[in-house]
Amino acid sequence: QLQLLESGPGLVKPSETLSLTCTVSGGSISSSSYYWGWIRQPPGKGLEWIGSIYYTGSTYYNPSLKSRVTFSVDTSRNHFSLKLSSVTAADTAVYYCASVGAVAGRLDPWGQGTLVTVSS
Amino acid sequence: DIQMTQSPSSLSASVGDRVTITCRASQSITSYLNWYQQKPGKAPKLLIYAASSLQSGVPSRFSGSGSGTDFTLTISSLQPEDFATYYCQQSYSTLPYTFGQGTKLEIK
Repeated sequence: QLQLLESGPGLVKPSETLSLTCTVSGGSISSSSYYWGWIRQPPGKGLEWIGSIYYTGSTYYNPSLKSRVTFSVDTSRNHFSLKLSSVTAADTAVYYCASVGAVAGRLDPWGQGTLVTVSS
Repeated sequence: DIQMTQSPSSLSASVGDRVTITCRASQSITSYLNWYQQKPGKAPKLLIYAASSLQSGVPSRFSGSGSGTDFTLTISSLQPEDFATYYCQQSYSTLPYTFGQGTKLEIK
């Protein structure tokens, strides 16, 4: 059964780069059945789609974040990563990774989420 | 972007009630609509995909319907564990996928 787990620093300083990794277990990140997505949720607010990456490296970024976001995938380590540059307090959120069904775009399963706080 | 609007934003109901949550898209998304349940401190959980298909392991009291721009999530008989926040998500356009603002279902 597919499982995802986010990892990375819980505190990032303003203007610096937020870096997170999502490790996939129970299946191959090179599966043609999935894309791999990032979603975030500011405290007490709703869900925001950040984007997704395919195992080939093809990416889809939310236009609202595109200038600051970079995704990468490491098939040898079965993980994919997010970098968000020039962060501000508005980037404080729980960051989730999820598998994205290649056919219907359903997000399942999700990682447990990791809270990233932007503060000096 | 395709805008997703849920109604109501919050809802109070009792155990055993039938509850319906609505999601409207700003343009046609055919059947590319998914529903999630989120409990406090937890990741969202997929309930319904492709507008009306029940995700494996999800109780049959959950159902989804609709196509085009208007969709509904129905819980036929509320159970105590169903009190949570529900989100719809369109997967018609990847630029970007978008979520509704959420519907918080509370105990009356």
